[in-house]
Amino acid sequence: GENVEQHPSTLSVQEGDSAVIKCTYSDSASNYFPWYKQELGKGPQLIIDIRSNVGEKKDQRIAVTLNKTAKHFSLHITETQPEDSAVYFCAARSGGFKTIFGAGTRLFVKA
Amino acid sequence: GAVVSQHPSRVICKSGTSVKIECRSLDFQATTMFWYRQFPKQSLMLMATSNEGSKATYEQGVEKDKFLINHASLTLSTLTVTSAHPEDSSFYICSAPRGGYNEQFFGPGTRLTVL
Repeated sequence: GENVEQHPSTLSVQEGDSAVIKCTYSDSASNYFPWYKQELGKGPQLIIDIRSNVGEKKDQRIAVTLNKTAKHFSLHITETQPEDSAVYFCAARSGGFKTIFGAGTRLFVKA
Repeated sequence: GAVVSQHPSRVICKSGTSVKIECRSLDFQATTMFWYRQFPKQSLMLMATSNEGSKATYEQGVEKDKFLINHASLTLSTLTVTSAHPEDSSFYICSAPRGGYNEQFFGPGTRLTVL
């Protein structure tokens, strides 16, 4: 079945630096790749997504890239702020609604 | 604002009792909803797909008799943890797809603690 791997599991950056989280997926039929931010004790919130017909998407300080050939997709956060500290999950979906999540990356932004 | 709500947000119960968790889509209809379980510092694991008007579809390894799902209306799905035990203690999260591309929106989660 579909498998999504996410790295790193923990990431610590200085405020203002960039953070990059990488994911790979196994199912070549996957066509939708959302990223979620989860704060402690809360449900995940969609922060950005990308579809398989697009290679890159940007929303202010957040960008996502997709390499379909390599089955890689990445989240880039620029000019990080302490409030960006949270757990980030990548996910992949291939048709239907079933979404497979990565293991998560715990991001710490040090002031 | 929130598009999916859950109730209760937190529940503590004794071992052997049953607990019902509600998931509601706000201002939109959801024929399908999803139930996830998340253990501390772990990812979300899909438990089951809730289908309005029909039986839920359970993931492998999830006991359907223990985790009863009822999708009684287009805006409400309920998860009942029957005869709860301490190992059922977890964070339970529901989600519902909305929009033309069916982005999933997650509820705020329910923290279940079984004593």
